[in-house]
Amino acid sequence: QVQLVESGGGVVQPGRSLRLSCAGTGFTFSNYAMYWVRQAPGKGLEWVAVISYDGSNKYYADSVKGRFTISRDNSKNTLYLQLNSLRAEDTAVYYCARAVLEMATIFGMDVWGKGTTVTVSS
Amino acid sequence: QSVLTQPPSASGTPGQRVTISCSGSSSNIGSNTVNWYQQLPATAPKLLIYTNNQRPSGVPDRFSASKSGTSASLAISGLQSEDEVDYYCAAWDDSLNGYVFGTGTKVTVL
Repeated sequence: QVQLVESGGGVVQPGRSLRLSCAGTGFTFSNYAMYWVRQAPGKGLEWVAVISYDGSNKYYADSVKGRFTISRDNSKNTLYLQLNSLRAEDTAVYYCARAVLEMATIFGMDVWGKGTTVTVSS
Repeated sequence: QSVLTQPPSASGTPGQRVTISCSGSSSNIGSNTVNWYQQLPATAPKLLIYTNNQRPSGVPDRFSASKSGTSASLAISGLQSEDEVDYYCAAWDDSLNGYVFGTGTKVTVL
């Protein structure tokens, strides 16, 4: 069945870096845009970034632009999110999610992973 | 700060119909499709409605949605106790060049 599994979360000091990974199985990974969405403790959902199915287009939320980088390796069916210059306000559960339509970027997501927790604290 | 506005809460008794509104603008709901997500506590969100009014397989037909202009709404008919969770609308925003979520609505079954 379609499955997404995130990894790489943890506790990190402000200003440091972290790389999250998301492994996709049960579908043709290279046909789908992929999203990162986060949720701070007790807060709502916040879109972070999206990458097109072939990696040619990337979009970021203003809150992470210039600090986070989304990428993908279709040969490994894996999505990444590089988090640099981390701040306390980046503390959240980070979810990866698959686009709802093949080959399309802007129509939102259907399948979600269980999430990985990032805590930024000194 | 979200650009899609939802009421913080909605409620109804078992069996009733509850609607949740989602207000946006011409750059998001007005020009792109709307999805709705359901989130149980401490779990990943689940797609409830996509492309304005389509239900993924497995989603009960008690859930329906519509869009008109720059607003959208989700309706839950035959309200059940397990519907007492959080709901989010979402759409692409052409001005922000990004995906935006609503502020979220917590449904309470009285």
